[in-house]
Amino acid sequence: SQQGEEDPQALSIQEGENATMNCSYKTSINNLQWYRQNSGRGLVHLILIRSNEREKHSGRLRVTLDTSKKSSSLLITASRAADTASYFCATDSSWAQKLVFGQGTRLTINP
Amino acid sequence: NAGVMQNPRHLVRRRGQEARLRCSPMKGHSHVYWYRQLPEEGLKFMVYLQKENIIDESGMPKERFSAEFPKEGPSILRIQQVVRGDSAAYFCASSPPGAGETQYFGPGTRLLVL
Repeated sequence: SQQGEEDPQALSIQEGENATMNCSYKTSINNLQWYRQNSGRGLVHLILIRSNEREKHSGRLRVTLDTSKKSSSLLITASRAADTASYFCATDSSWAQKLVFGQGTRLTINP
Repeated sequence: NAGVMQNPRHLVRRRGQEARLRCSPMKGHSHVYWYRQLPEEGLKFMVYLQKENIIDESGMPKERFSAEFPKEGPSILRIQQVVRGDSAAYFCASSPPGAGETQYFGPGTRLLVL
């Protein structure tokens, strides 16, 4: 069964607006990571948040983690056209280092 | 420091042929992971290897697929007797030793089976 599931599946906003994507998962995790994938390209690591952390920032990115609700959110502030991509959350556990990915959110930033 | 290298970037095979995908991890990384991505889907874990050892192959199909990470040289994902359903993007990731480390992905190999 799917471990990570992103919501929404697709998001279209105007340049300059903030974009929020959510991720839910089912089992206990060790870490949760967010990746970006441009169309037809590889994955770029954005941020890792550990299970004992609640919030993390990196530039225009803000990630929160709520282990009681088994959910995470990725906020991109002041979006740019170059942020257009698919965004995936991925989780690992203390007993398995493999990453379990969600289906992704396709983000489109309109100029 | 070069990132994770994968080759070829694109591979076309006819049904029944063999496909060999190569992955060179980042310098200093001893853990390699292979993932498969079907169109419009997320990545699915296939196998996790360390040098000369398969640690977790729970995502590998039981037949036709094999992986290795020899003492010297790149990691190889081998698909024998390819079928159309094998068409996908195959990504390799590497990480340094230790649990919970960030996995860094290569650009992927896009396999098309005709």
